[in-house]
Amino acid sequence: DTGVSQNPRHKITKRGQNVTFRCDPISEHNRLYWYRQTLGQGPEFLTYFQNEAQLEKSRLLSDRFSAERPKGSFSTLEIQRTEQGDSAMYLCASSLQGNEQFFGPGTRLTVL
Amino acid sequence: KQEVTQIPAALSVPEGENLVLNCSFTDSAIYNLQWFRQDPGKGLTSLLLIQSSQREQTSGRLNASLDKSSGRSTLYIAASQPGDSATYLCAVVDRGSTLGRLYFGRGTQLTVWP
Repeated sequence: DTGVSQNPRHKITKRGQNVTFRCDPISEHNRLYWYRQTLGQGPEFLTYFQNEAQLEKSRLLSDRFSAERPKGSFSTLEIQRTEQGDSAMYLCASSLQGNEQFFGPGTRLTVL
Repeated sequence: KQEVTQIPAALSVPEGENLVLNCSFTDSAIYNLQWFRQDPGKGLTSLLLIQSSQREQTSGRLNASLDKSSGRSTLYIAASQPGDSATYLCAVVDRGSTLGRLYFGRGTQLTVWP
């Protein structure tokens, strides 16, 4: 296993469009996290899965955002009706039972 | 709410210097602390993880210490090299959190020039 992977790496979209990102965690990791990072800031927590269950969502995750992790494997993060303020790097991380978190390369979203 | 601060925000040093990056957190009841490296436009690479029961961790030229009572951690980089140039992020997991969410600082942007 080569680590956490994310696709696409870059996404440019027009305001109002829907976008979906995918994260493939390290295979044996049961915990999966989504974070968002804007320029000059540290990443901020969005949501967390333990296996297929979504256990926590940040207040940053408005009702335009939805995340899934079917069968406790890969996860998707969808943003509906994108806004310019959604432009950011979306990072996925995985861990085994809350230990060291390993991050993917991120998806850079630009909303025009 | 846990708040993490990193000082300095930016650091520029000549190659070969030993340097210290600082991280402080407001709630000392943490589960663990993790140091990351981030290259421009890239994801995060985990450097060191310190459990709350530990005082320090070492990996190659890197040494991280943890003083929970004062809410501080330092990352020591020995004999810096231009390849060390990156942003270094500190993050903590609260002891009260069973979920493991990380609280990050804004990072220290390090430049090592030849």
